[in-house]
Amino acid sequence: NAGVTQTPKFRILKIGQSMTLQCAQDMNHNYMYWYRQDPGMGLKLIYYSVGAGITDKGEVPNGYNVSRSTTEDFPLRLELAAPSQTSVYFCASSYSGLAGAYEQYFGPGTRLTVT
Amino acid sequence: EDQVTQSPEALRLQEGESSSLNCSYTVSGLRGLFWYRQDPGKGPEFLFTLYSAGEEKEKERLKATLTKKESFLHITAPKPEDSATYLCAPYTGRRALTFGSGTRLQVQP
Repeated sequence: NAGVTQTPKFRILKIGQSMTLQCAQDMNHNYMYWYRQDPGMGLKLIYYSVGAGITDKGEVPNGYNVSRSTTEDFPLRLELAAPSQTSVYFCASSYSGLAGAYEQYFGPGTRLTVT
Repeated sequence: EDQVTQSPEALRLQEGESSSLNCSYTVSGLRGLFWYRQDPGKGPEFLFTLYSAGEEKEKERLKATLTKKESFLHITAPKPEDSATYLCAPYTGRRALTFGSGTRLQVQP
């Protein structure tokens, strides 16, 4: 199993440009998440999904959009990039059953710079 | 609103010098707690899940414990390869986790 994969690893955007960060998991997890991590700070939840076709906002959703058309993929869209979106972005996935949610597994991250 | 505080923010140890990291939280309906390790430039790596007060889990030189208000990550005789940031996240049954800001551990040879 590859686990959680993210592309690209690095990206530099100009202010106002748009891009999509890709995330895929091959563990058949129903839950998927997007976090951002600023230097020296904790992880902040942007969006999450509990299954295909279902998404919900996290703590810091402004400036981002998501979709989940399949169990495996959960892309994050940045529209009109701003310097405040310079960060490292992590995708994660977990299984959730009747007993509740289980541990999240993280991808390697995408380092994004907006200038 | 859930609050999670990790202390200390940074810790420097000599190789072999044991210590503990703290994760304290104010949440309603605690159902468990996750510990993660994060190396520079990488995603967090899952270490432990603790489900109830009094529970302990061990992995190599790490031992995690849980009370009703806090969790500890004890590091016994650490080695330089234990250097990383350690993150905790209490689980309340809600769909989103709140992560602490982490403790940056540096173990010097």
